[in-house]
Amino acid sequence: DQQVKQNSPSLSVQEGRISILNCDYTNSMFDYFLWYKKYPAEGPTFLISISSIKDKNEDGRFTVFLNKSAKHLSLHIVPSQPGDSAVYFCAASRNTGANSKLTFGKGITLSVRP
Amino acid sequence: DAGVIQSPRHEVTEMGQEVTLRCKPISGHDYLFWYRQTMMRGLELLIYFNNNVPIDDSGMPEDRFSAKMPNASFSTLKIQPSEPRDSAVYFCASSLWQQLRDYGYTFGSGTRLTVV
Repeated sequence: DQQVKQNSPSLSVQEGRISILNCDYTNSMFDYFLWYKKYPAEGPTFLISISSIKDKNEDGRFTVFLNKSAKHLSLHIVPSQPGDSAVYFCAASRNTGANSKLTFGKGITLSVRP
Repeated sequence: DAGVIQSPRHEVTEMGQEVTLRCKPISGHDYLFWYRQTMMRGLELLIYFNNNVPIDDSGMPEDRFSAKMPNASFSTLKIQPSEPRDSAVYFCASSLWQQLRDYGYTFGSGTRLTVV
């Protein structure tokens, strides 16, 4: 049972335009959400996170929006650059005290066309 | 810091053979995670340790899989006997408890395992 879903396996965007990557979750106990970026032959690297007490977090060209009622989050990249071409993973965790783990989606492959 | 170091980067083995994957976490990190990435299932958590103690191994697919963390600087994931369906990229990751929520984990570069 996939608790974190990234239903679109791929997205292609023109350089300079906005990229919007979507993620849905089913577990209402999740209270922290993260996005990771992965290049081929490398491990995923942390990109941006958001707590459930917020509905938006921004870091440069990257903004994550959280809609708790819809159990939906999205990552916006503006403007998109060819170097942003990678696989993007959405991840979620819930506060279980000292022990916490991330549940990942399957990933979305973003291609930014020059 | 050299980051999380995994070895080998690539492993090709024959079905039925034993495979051992190795991981050196970032010094001082108290959490260590083993994940497996496949096209069908994405990134799956296999097992994780806190202060060298296994906390949750519910993701380990079968008894053929085992993981150990004999000390704070080393962990192994062993598959015995290996099967073609074990072919995947295996990632090790580590984290500090204080950073877990805001920054998640630091991943290694992965081991690409091919079982023929």
